[in-house]
Amino acid sequence: SQQGEEDPQALSIQEGENATMNCSYKTSINNLQWYRQNSGRGLVHLILIRSNEREKHSGRLRVTLDTSKKSSSLLITASRAADTASYFCATAIRNSGNTPLVFGKGTRLSVIA
Amino acid sequence: EPEVTQTPSHQVTQMGQEVILRCVPISNHLYFYWYRQILGQKVEFLVSFYNNEISEKSEIFDDQFSVERPDGSNFTLKIRSTKLEDSAMYFCASTGTSGKNEQFFGPGTRLTVL
Repeated sequence: SQQGEEDPQALSIQEGENATMNCSYKTSINNLQWYRQNSGRGLVHLILIRSNEREKHSGRLRVTLDTSKKSSSLLITASRAADTASYFCATAIRNSGNTPLVFGKGTRLSVIA
Repeated sequence: EPEVTQTPSHQVTQMGQEVILRCVPISNHLYFYWYRQILGQKVEFLVSFYNNEISEKSEIFDDQFSVERPDGSNFTLKIRSTKLEDSAMYFCASTGTSGKNEQFFGPGTRLTVL
């Protein structure tokens, strides 16, 4: 089954540094999405990258996708304490239509001021 | 910006009791989902709903669970007889017809079964 798995499981950095999180999945996809979850809160959609895209930017976020390696990375530049959260990648269980998402276990990012 | 809302934010119940979790999806969305996240674990899919019927469900979504769209705005998840292991965060999500399957999640309801 398709499954996003992030690494590292936990990452601790100083404010101002860049944070890179990786995600691997198992089968072909139409797109891959990244979500953020603050402790005990809901999931916030960050960015979606299509399978025919290699890189996408949104503010301080940069996402890359390598379909040959079935992997994606999320880079947060110039991190802030407010970026402290868990970050998840998600893929759809099928390649068509509006289908359920499969989430990885996430990367817990701590940004120390 | 439109958002998915959920009520209550926290529900405490006794084992064996029925609970109804409520969601108001984004108004022009047509596909609705429930997910749950047991503390410290992955977000797991429960059920999807489209055109007033369940379109897909996971093996977690057994006979104790049901969903309903009682009116044009609400989307509910009912657990008939709660078990201790139902304690989790329950998230509602919705998506439109863009075809991108970009799902927007609500803030969640924390269900605690005692």
